[in-house]
Amino acid sequence: NAGVTQTPKFQVLKTGQSMTLQCAQDMNHEYMSWYRQDPGMGLRLIHYSVGAGITDQGEVPNGYNVSRSTTEDFPLRLLSAAPSQTSVYFCASSPPGSREQFFGPGTRLTVL
Amino acid sequence: KQEVTQIPAALSVPEGENLVLNCSFTDSAIYNLQWFRQDPGKGLTSLLLIQSSQREQTSGRLNASLDKSSGRSTLYIAASQPGDSATYLCATGGSARQLTFGSGTQLTVLP
Repeated sequence: NAGVTQTPKFQVLKTGQSMTLQCAQDMNHEYMSWYRQDPGMGLRLIHYSVGAGITDQGEVPNGYNVSRSTTEDFPLRLLSAAPSQTSVYFCASSPPGSREQFFGPGTRLTVL
Repeated sequence: KQEVTQIPAALSVPEGENLVLNCSFTDSAIYNLQWFRQDPGKGLTSLLLIQSSQREQTSGRLNASLDKSSGRSTLYIAASQPGDSATYLCATGGSARQLTFGSGTQLTVLP
C-alpha cells in the first residue's frame, strides 16, 4: 500500500487563481478529511467525507470545495485563491471500524 | 467548542531521560484521543490511539494515558533518544471523527 498520497508537494499561486489539491489512498478507507496547518494555530479541519458521495464542512470551510466520487480520491479545490490560504494542507484517512487517522505528507501552498 | 492545549511548547532533555508530555482539553465528551509525531517539513505519524473507554495504550517506549474526567492525557517516553526529537501533537476525536489538535510540544533530545 502506498498509504495516503498528496500532490503536488509545493505550489505557488497568484491571488485569484484556482487549483486542485489531490489526495488519494489505496487502503479502502471510507473516511477522508482535509486539514490546514498554520503557525501558532495547529491543524484545523476544512472538509471531511464519510464515504463516496458524502461530504461535510469542518471548522474552516470557506473558500474551499470538495467532492468524493470514488472511495480512493478526495480532491480539495480552491476556486479563487487568497493570501490567507497560504498554509500547509494535509489529507487524512481512516479505515472502517477504527478512529485512527493516517495523514499524507502534505502540500505546501503559497498564495502571492 | 473543544480547545486542546499542550504545555510546554518546547522541551529539551539529555539523552536517556524519561519524559512526559502533557495534553489538556476542555470538553470531556470525546470519542478518542490520538498522539502524533511530526518531523520538520513532514506529515503526521500516528503514535497511539486511546479510545474514550480506555485509560492507556502502550507501544514500545511510548505510553499514553487518558483521564477524561479531568480533561488530560499524557505521553510518556522512556529512555529518550536523539531520534525522538520532533514535534508531538495530541488531538481529540469527535462524533464525526473530526480531530481537534493542540499546537504541539517541540521535543529536542540532546546526545
